[in-house]
Amino acid sequence: DAGITQSPRHKVTETGTPVTLRCHQTENHRYMYWYRQDPGHGLRLIHYSYGVKDTDKGEVSDGYSVSRSKTEDFLLTLESATSSQTSVYFCAISEQAGSYEQYFGPGTRLTVT
Amino acid sequence: DQQVKQNSPSLSVQEGRISILNCDYTNSMFDYFLWYKKYPAEGPTFLISISSIKDKNEDGRFTVFLNKSAKHLSLHIVPSQPGDSAVYFCAARNTGNQFYFGTGTSLTVIP
Repeated sequence: DAGITQSPRHKVTETGTPVTLRCHQTENHRYMYWYRQDPGHGLRLIHYSYGVKDTDKGEVSDGYSVSRSKTEDFLLTLESATSSQTSVYFCAISEQAGSYEQYFGPGTRLTVT
Repeated sequence: DQQVKQNSPSLSVQEGRISILNCDYTNSMFDYFLWYKKYPAEGPTFLISISSIKDKNEDGRFTVFLNKSAKHLSLHIVPSQPGDSAVYFCAARNTGNQFYFGTGTSLTVIP
């Protein structure tokens, strides 16, 4: 199994509060991704990183920011959480070679009340 | 707008028979396609992939077929086993290294 962890695994927060989710990898993979999974939408890309300090937006990036100061850590921040950001968040890593497969973390269930 | 679609939310198959999961896409610039399997409360796990320059890739009981003219791919599982019961997502990669996922098909293999 790829060494990828997410913290926290569960979080309940109130509307308007800031929230940071952490993804940590021990595989030294170059690419890291944040997705959200919602019923009827599958997984949707929020942001991704192709190296330290190199990030780009995905298809649902509004309301989210990311940072990657070290190869192993990719942080997702909700500056002011809204109820529409209640979701399950998955981090993924990839080397982008061969089959382009991604390895996913166990997910973080976030509830915004 | 959903660029990758899985129009069947669920599928039930008898153990030992073939499972066929379908996926359609709209963007002809996708260059790689992948299938993932997901159990409840876990992250998706990679199953099999195919390059856009091929039309078939096989790995054990799993085969993926790609029909570029129809913008359609399918995953065949033969023979199906109860442990295959999970949600299956298809995904497509664009040249910008972004991945687009379908909404998933929940497969139930009946013993």
